[in-house]
Amino acid sequence: DSGVTQTPKHLITATGQRVTLRCSPRSGDLSVYWYQQSLDQGLQFLIQYYNGEERAKGNILERFSAQQFPDLHSELNLSSLELGDSALYFCASSQAGEYEQYFGPGTRLTVT
Amino acid sequence: GDSVTQMEGPVTLSEEAFLTINCTYTATGYPSLFWYVQYPGEGLQLLLKATKADDKGSNKGFEATYRKETTSFHLEKGSVQVSDSAVYFCALSDYGGSQGNLIFGKGTKLSVKP
Repeated sequence: DSGVTQTPKHLITATGQRVTLRCSPRSGDLSVYWYQQSLDQGLQFLIQYYNGEERAKGNILERFSAQQFPDLHSELNLSSLELGDSALYFCASSQAGEYEQYFGPGTRLTVT
Repeated sequence: GDSVTQMEGPVTLSEEAFLTINCTYTATGYPSLFWYVQYPGEGLQLLLKATKADDKGSNKGFEATYRKETTSFHLEKGSVQVSDSAVYFCALSDYGGSQGNLIFGKGTKLSVKP
């Protein structure tokens, strides 16, 4: 158990819909990262937040957005969903100044 | 940009065989290097890390040495077990401090037969 929690574990929704994925980092970790894992693209970095502020952006679509709240949990919002958005979405957290990241169990999103 | 290349799988070994999974990287700075493991149906677990050249990371019998001259970080284990069956990802982080997203290789699936 990494100490990072993600909900829900599974999500099935239809094209065009909007969903919210939630992540709680390890106690004391200020950085939260979101990654997408798909068969064709592999593991891709989406976005990072540090202590409530956006710090880095990767291959995140404009239809996707995220935020980190004062209690340090984070939410990833995916809108106007397409079939190709079906993937595993992982959240990871790390301490300030540390390189290693600890991953949650992931949310499997299926868009039908 | 930065990238990680690891050997394609799947790799199938018999129990107690020697394992090597090759990983090479391209980076503009001085990255930290990692191996993560993903067991079926689970998230990624940090297996080992190395933060500077010639560092050796080790954990659970697995080892990898940060080789700057060959830009490599190959994963090795002397005697694999059935329980080692998983997907292994090599990754780098090229920033320090409060930034540091991971760049992953495509993963290598290992199957160990009894």
